[in-house]
Amino acid sequence: EVQLVESGGALVQPGGSLRLSCATSGLTFNSYWMGWVRQAPGKGLEWVASLNPDASEKYFVDSVKDRFAISRDNMKNSLYLRMNSLRAEDTALYYCMTETGYWGQGTLVTVSS
Amino acid sequence: QAVVTQEPSLTVSPGGTVTLTCGSSTGAVTSGHYPYWIQQKPGQAPRTLFYRATNKHSWTPARFSGSLLGGRAALTLSGAQPEDEADYYCLLSYSNSGVFGGGTKLTVL
Repeated sequence: EVQLVESGGALVQPGGSLRLSCATSGLTFNSYWMGWVRQAPGKGLEWVASLNPDASEKYFVDSVKDRFAISRDNMKNSLYLRMNSLRAEDTALYYCMTETGYWGQGTLVTVSS
Repeated sequence: QAVVTQEPSLTVSPGGTVTLTCGSSTGAVTSGHYPYWIQQKPGQAPRTLFYRATNKHSWTPARFSGSLLGGRAALTLSGAQPEDEADYYCLLSYSNSGVFGGGTKLTVL
């Protein structure tokens, strides 16, 4: 059974930083593109970032470029999202997602003073 | 950045058939956009029904089908059930970055 478990969400002040993690099991992690998707309260889904299997290709939505970094550890079957210079508009539930459409349950990031 | 368009809302009668569509501002949606169809019910995590247009998951009910139709990606529901009431999102890939549509709120009534 494929499982994705996100962690690391928290309440953080504007300008702060967080690192989200996504631990996976049940899939050949090092074969797939992985991504982060977020959903602001009451809003739709927004694709945030994606990373290819060997981490040589990374893509970000314009609103997070130069602030967020995506990485993976294929030995630990885990995906990460480092978020810097956080803004109120980054407040959302953050999901990790596999290339074949598996999702985690999400981790909540709240940016507020 | 490309814009992905979906019908904001649709209503279907129980047992009826409805087609949700997904268009791209850049032109026709093709298999190269690797279309995803994602269902989300209130308070739940999203769940992918189809990826790469027509590949379904084990949990995807047989009454759903995915296709490319007239330059758009399409999700057809035949024999709607009350439990199909949900938000449905299309996700398209553009050179390995992704763009979601705004979602379709499907009401079964």
